[in-house]
Amino acid sequence: DAKTTQPPSMDCAEGRAANLPCNHSTISGNEYVYWYRQIHSQGPQYIIHGLKNNETNEMASLIITEDRKSSTLILPHATLRDTAVYYCIVRVGNFGNEKLTFGTGTRLTIIP
Amino acid sequence: DTAVSQTPKYLVTQMGNDKSIKCEQNLGHDTMYWYKQDSKKFLKIMFSYNNKELIINETVPNRFSPKSPDKAHLNLHINSLELGDSAVYFCASSQVNRVGETQYFGPGTRLLVL
Repeated sequence: DAKTTQPPSMDCAEGRAANLPCNHSTISGNEYVYWYRQIHSQGPQYIIHGLKNNETNEMASLIITEDRKSSTLILPHATLRDTAVYYCIVRVGNFGNEKLTFGTGTRLTIIP
Repeated sequence: DTAVSQTPKYLVTQMGNDKSIKCEQNLGHDTMYWYKQDSKKFLKIMFSYNNKELIINETVPNRFSPKSPDKAHLNLHINSLELGDSAVYFCASSQVNRVGETQYFGPGTRLLVL
């Protein structure tokens, strides 16, 4: 079972920042928060991950609360190509058993 | 140049047939996976192999048999196909010897059982 809760859908205007929330209140101390997205009919694509510190890469930023019970994925300047289902995943298992459990995700629609 | 490739992209077949889906990765990763995405879009892991050894088997019917001839390939053979096997099957690979390593997914194989 997925250990995260996300809103089923969100809209964002093109060019604005898209902020996607995720609750993971039962996260363990050594579990990471991962974000993937799935653009229609394609395979899931890795976006970013983090443990406790905020992270940024060329695609997005990840803000994790101090208690680690929730996080926010930020797409700073959303484009139409960012329309996709976004999955927040808490990584389970240890080395050699890297199972990703996908929930229902958030369907993000970028509005022109 | 494709990192994780799958063949075929589409597969339409009759109930009861046996079919195989192939997956290859050129990333040099040690671990490969098969996921199934059903009509409701739920994406669930089926198997994972690390250096050709089975690591994860998520209570998948034994009609499904993964085969890893080498660590760059993980094929999925399905016997006696059933209507409920219709889904999109995704292959993925990752390197597991680093904390927080990520998975790279293939484009998917769309299986339709009639």
